[in-house]
Amino acid sequence: ELKVEQNPLFLSMQEGKNYTIYCNYSTTSDRLYWYRQDPGKSLESLFVLLSNGAVKQEGRLMASLDTKARLSTLHITAAVHDLSATYFCAVVFNQFYFGTGTSLTVIP
Amino acid sequence: DAGVIQSPRHEVTEMGQEVTLRCKPISGHNSLFWYRQTMMRGLELLIYFNNNVPIDDSGMPEDRFSAKMPNASFSTLKIQPSEPRDSAVYFCASSLFTGGDEQYFGPGTRLTVT
Repeated sequence: ELKVEQNPLFLSMQEGKNYTIYCNYSTTSDRLYWYRQDPGKSLESLFVLLSNGAVKQEGRLMASLDTKARLSTLHITAAVHDLSATYFCAVVFNQFYFGTGTSLTVIP
Repeated sequence: DAGVIQSPRHEVTEMGQEVTLRCKPISGHNSLFWYRQTMMRGLELLIYFNNNVPIDDSGMPEDRFSAKMPNASFSTLKIQPSEPRDSAVYFCASSLFTGGDEQYFGPGTRLTVT
């Protein structure tokens, strides 16, 4: 069974700071998604990474994929309060395998 | 498009009662997924359908759970009898095809079994 691990599980950071969320997975895959979930809400797709070395950026978020290392990162630049949410990576291997999620709180 | 529609949004029921959750996928999507989210276990895939046919139900926790997709625009997840440990948020998602297409999630049904 494919395992997907995210770290950290919880992240509290000050506005304006940078940080990276890591997503490690156990089986070869060439497609990975990042989703965002606001408290009490549904999941919304942020990025899809389709190949080794893929990088996607939107606003203060940048995601990358290293299929050889089986690692994806979600980098947050100059965090703002609106980014507070839970972020999930999902690795595709016939179906979606979701990570445990990283609960991000940005403190003003 | 209205997106994935789920009903009810909230359900409170007593242990032993039957619960039916409903989902309408995005029009034109061929794959439908049912997930359960809890604090303890995170997001779990229960079952998914492709072209209305159940493909993988290995995530269904036990025989008390059943799911159907009678047509391309409707699916149900039934729990009978319900137990307090079934309390969770149940999400339905749909995608164009299985195998890696982006999944679009519904708003979820928050189920509380007392």
